[in-house]
Amino acid sequence: GQNIDQPTEMTATEGAIVQINCTYQTSGFNGLFWYQQHAGEAPTFLSYNVLDGLEEKGRFSSFLSRSKGYSYLLLKELQMKDSASYLCAPMDSNYQLIWGAGTKLIIKP
Amino acid sequence: IAGITQAPTSQILAAGRRMTLRCTQDMRHNAMYWYRQDLGLGLRLIHYSNTAGTTGKGEVPDGYSVSRANTDDFPLTLASAVPSQTSVYFCASSDSPSGGYNEQFFGPGTRLTVL
Repeated sequence: GQNIDQPTEMTATEGAIVQINCTYQTSGFNGLFWYQQHAGEAPTFLSYNVLDGLEEKGRFSSFLSRSKGYSYLLLKELQMKDSASYLCAPMDSNYQLIWGAGTKLIIKP
Repeated sequence: IAGITQAPTSQILAAGRRMTLRCTQDMRHNAMYWYRQDLGLGLRLIHYSNTAGTTGKGEVPDGYSVSRANTDDFPLTLASAVPSQTSVYFCASSDSPSGGYNEQFFGPGTRLTVL
């Protein structure tokens, strides 16, 4: 079966760094997406990885290891507005996104 | 309009009633999707359409139907609503249904309560 595992909730301090991990098992693989979702709002795209390694985009970076079925999202210089849920979504062989339940990130001053 | 719009924003519906959730995009995207999101669960795909005139079933299609008469519109119909269909419904679109970097853009969602 297809399965996504990510922590339910994490807490971090403003200005710090946090890493959100995601492990996955899918039928085939065509890349992995990370989305951000603020409470009561729609998900918005953050990053896409299809090859192993780190993709950096400003304060956010995403890492992928296909052999380990593992990805992480790294957020630096945390701001209060980063309080949100972060959704890991690998794409299977049918090009369908398989969504994790999301990690709720709480930022404290 | 720009992006994806959904209507209504929220709705309270009596069980057994028929309801259509509307979704319109102006990005000329080929693929469109309907998801439901329930607390503690990931987004679950209900139905999708890779191009106008075609539709497919997702993970949880029972009790729902869709149509794709043109590129822009992708309505979702609940023929006879049941309380388990209480959820937040998101419509999304992407330029292509397959191939690499293929970001999905989401509408603002419809919060549906079935009593």
